[in-house]
Amino acid sequence: QVQLVQSGVEVKEPGASVKVSCKASGYTFINYGTHWLRQAPGQRLEWMGWINAGTGNTKYSQKFQGRVTITRDTSASTAYMEMSSLRSEDTAVYYCARDNYEYSFDYWGQGTLVTVSS
Amino acid sequence: QSVLTQPPSASGTPGQRVILSCSGSSSNIGRNSVYWFQQLPGAAPKLLIYTTNQRPSGVPDRFSGSKSGTSGSLAISGLRSEDEADYYCAAWDGGPGGWVFGGGTKLTVL
Repeated sequence: QVQLVQSGVEVKEPGASVKVSCKASGYTFINYGTHWLRQAPGQRLEWMGWINAGTGNTKYSQKFQGRVTITRDTSASTAYMEMSSLRSEDTAVYYCARDNYEYSFDYWGQGTLVTVSS
Repeated sequence: QSVLTQPPSASGTPGQRVILSCSGSSSNIGRNSVYWFQQLPGAAPKLLIYTTNQRPSGVPDRFSGSKSGTSGSLAISGLRSEDEADYYCAAWDGGPGGWVFGGGTKLTVL
């Protein structure tokens, strides 16, 4: 069965960077895309960007362009989202979700809580 | 940045039919498909409807989606207690934000 398993809770100080992983299983990783989204406490979901796991091509929301980098390791069937220059407003649950190229967001990771606090 | 607008709350009684709305614009819902997600407390969102009116396998046919102009709708018939959750709509927007989401509707089953 399709599963996306994300890395664990992160606590970071303002100005630091964080890298969240999303390990895929149950399907051929390179044949699909991976989205990254986040949800701050009590807020709406926010799309951050996407990667074509086969080619490595990426697309980002303008809001996150330059501060977020999405990569993948095909040998590990894992996608990564790295965010730099963290601030308190980046405190949120970060999700990965699959794109099957027919439609998006069909499977989701369990979420990773990132807390930014001094 | 474009966003979608949803009423913050809705309610219904068991067995009732409820309709949740999602208002967008010509740059998102007006020209692209609507997606709907269900989110239970403490859980990741779950895809309910894609490309406006299609259900992934495993989603009951009690859930149906539609679109008219720049607004989308999610209908839930035969309401059950387990339908109590937050519901979010989404659509691709041609602007700089990419995918945009609504603020969510909290559905209470009375």
